[in-house]
Amino acid sequence: SQTIHQWPATLVQPVGSPLSLECTVEGTSNPNLYWYRQAAGRGLQLLFYSVGIGQISSEVPQNLSASRPQDRQFILSSKKLLLSDSGFYLCAWSATGPFNQPQHFGDGTRLSIL
Amino acid sequence: AQSVTQPDIHITVSEGASLELRCNYSYGATPYLFWYVQSPGQGLQLLLKYFSGDTLVQGIKGFEAEFKRSQSSFNLRKPSVHWSDAAEYFCAVGAGSGYSTLTFGKGTMLLVSP
Repeated sequence: SQTIHQWPATLVQPVGSPLSLECTVEGTSNPNLYWYRQAAGRGLQLLFYSVGIGQISSEVPQNLSASRPQDRQFILSSKKLLLSDSGFYLCAWSATGPFNQPQHFGDGTRLSIL
Repeated sequence: AQSVTQPDIHITVSEGASLELRCNYSYGATPYLFWYVQSPGQGLQLLLKYFSGDTLVQGIKGFEAEFKRSQSSFNLRKPSVHWSDAAEYFCAVGAGSGYSTLTFGKGTMLLVSP
């Protein structure tokens, strides 16, 4: 069966520090991968998605970037964190196909910026 | 572009009572619809999905949802709520493209009273 792993579960970082959140998927190949940010009362905001290695689409301009160095690895990064980057970050995967497939989520990373 | 509205931010239901969570979508063609549940500090879990066919969809944990095209709705129901159902519920709509991006509603927090 497929599993998705996200780490770390929680992270406290000072303003201006770099960030690297990692997400890996097991048990499937060539998945679509997604990074979301969730803020209280605002639902899920899609940040990035990827349909293949090295292919990244950005949904909103921001201080963050994403990379997909391997088929089942998706990384969220920042060179300098801002206070506004605080939030709950979720990684998700879906199977590829001609139509929407359900997305399956990791357990998330709670990021606090001090 | 598609959109999703969950009109109720919070709902309180007595344990054992029936539940209906509302979801309205906006999309010009046949949508792909999903309901997810999120427990505090965790990722989202897929409850059920609608792609086509029977408009009444059965999901996990005793949940069901009904697609009503004339009302642009996809309401989630459960005949008898358990205390463990207390969580936040998200409705999502997909445009059906191969990129599988979903648009999520802002969520409804379900509280279960004894």
